[in-house]
Amino acid sequence: ENVLTQSPGTLSLSPGERATLSCRASQSVSSSHLAWYQQKPGQAPRLLIYGASSRATGIPDRFSGSGSGTDFTLTITRLEPEDFAVYYCHQFGSSPTWTFGQGTKVEI
Amino acid sequence: DVQLVESGGGLVQPGGSLRLSCAASGFTFSTSDLHWVRQAAGKGLEWVSSIIVAGDTFYSGSVKGRFTVSRENAKNSLYLQMNSLRAGDTAVYYCARAGGNHGWYAFDIWGQGTMVTVSS
Repeated sequence: ENVLTQSPGTLSLSPGERATLSCRASQSVSSSHLAWYQQKPGQAPRLLIYGASSRATGIPDRFSGSGSGTDFTLTITRLEPEDFAVYYCHQFGSSPTWTFGQGTKVEI
Repeated sequence: DVQLVESGGGLVQPGGSLRLSCAASGFTFSTSDLHWVRQAAGKGLEWVSSIIVAGDTFYSGSVKGRFTVSRENAKNSLYLQMNSLRAGDTAVYYCARAGGNHGWYAFDIWGQGTMVTVSS
C-alpha cells in the first residue's frame, strides 16, 4: 500500500502569507494520479488540484500544485481568510486503490 | 445543478446492516466512476469503495467482504450495502464522482455526506 504522509500537521499563518504544504508518498506516484482537496468544517471536500498541477474549475490561481515521483507540494501564494481549512492529498494506486494523506490544517 | 445527494444513514447496532444511497443529477451518471469515502469524527478521509463505468468494484481492506457497492444507471443512483457493521465503521459517508473534466483519478463532485453510527 502506498502511504501518503503530509507535513506539517498544522500550519499557523496569517492572511497574505504564503503556505507550502507537502505530501510525500512511500512509493512513486504517477503525476496524473495525484490530487489535492480542501475541506472546511462541516463541509464535503472540494477538489483543488488534479494531475498534480492542474487547477480544478473555479479554483483561484493563488493555488498551485507541483512535484513528481514521491514528493508533491501544494502552494497557496497569498492566504485569504477563506483558505483556512484542512488540505488533503490523494492518490490512485495499483490494485486499484485510492489513498488520502492524513491532512494538513492551515490555521490563523 | 450538478450534485450528489446521499441518504440512508442512521444508528445501527453492531453486527447490523445499513444501505446507503447516492442520487446523482446534472451530469452523465453512466459514464462516471463512483466512489464512497468516509470520515470519522475529527479524523481524515478514508477511501471505502469504488465502482467504475465497466461495473468493476473495488474495496478497501477494512470493508472487503462486508460492504457491497452497486450502481443503477437507469436511476442515476449509487448504493453501498453495509453488513456486519462495527463501531469502527462509524463515520460520515460521502459519495463522489470521477471521470468528468478533471480526469479519472480526481473526485470532482462530492455529496454532502450521510452519518452512520454503529452503537448499542
